[in-house]
Amino acid sequence: SQQGEEDPQALSIQEGENATMNCSYKTSINNLQWYRQNSGRGLVHLILIRSNEREKHSGRLRVTLDTSKKSSSLLITASRAADTASYFCATVTYNFNKFYFGSGTKLNVKP
Amino acid sequence: EAQVTQNPRYLITVTGKKLTVTCSQNMNHEYMSWYRQDPGLGLRQIYYSMNVEVTDKGDVPEGYKVSRKEKRNFPLILESPSPNQTSLYFCASSLFQGSGQPQHFGDGTRLSIL
Repeated sequence: SQQGEEDPQALSIQEGENATMNCSYKTSINNLQWYRQNSGRGLVHLILIRSNEREKHSGRLRVTLDTSKKSSSLLITASRAADTASYFCATVTYNFNKFYFGSGTKLNVKP
Repeated sequence: EAQVTQNPRYLITVTGKKLTVTCSQNMNHEYMSWYRQDPGLGLRQIYYSMNVEVTDKGDVPEGYKVSRKEKRNFPLILESPSPNQTSLYFCASSLFQGSGQPQHFGDGTRLSIL
């Protein structure tokens, strides 16, 4: 299966600290996307990185992609209590048709 | 407001009773998809549709049917639901898949099959 794996499964930090989540996948991809999910709600897209990119920034988010290691990381800097959520990586295959989601990292930011 | 709308949001039903979960998007998106989310397994793709009358299987299509007669609607049909289909279901859409567009998700439908 192409399904990605996030690491760690759960992360608990204090407000103001940085949070890093990792994603590994198995086969070649066109792009990788990170999503956020609040408590059983629908997922919200955060950031997309293409296979020919190595790093991307969006506000407090920084994503890296290492296609040789088939891995990506999401860094949230200066975390806030409102960042408490589950975070998922999703890989998109070269035919663009299928999305493969990982099992997610549950982030708890304590005020 | 741009959105993906699923109905119902919650449903408890019994084994074998056919049900349909509707999904509608108002963004003129070409690509639509259904996922189920189970604890520890993340989201798994059930079916997707590249455009009207074009549908294809995802990773876990068994026991499900879909149709795409209009661009905005993509219903998920469980012809004979079974308890192992108890799950949280999400519909999603994106503009098109040609360059890996991000997906917009509905708020989910929680199905319980007794």
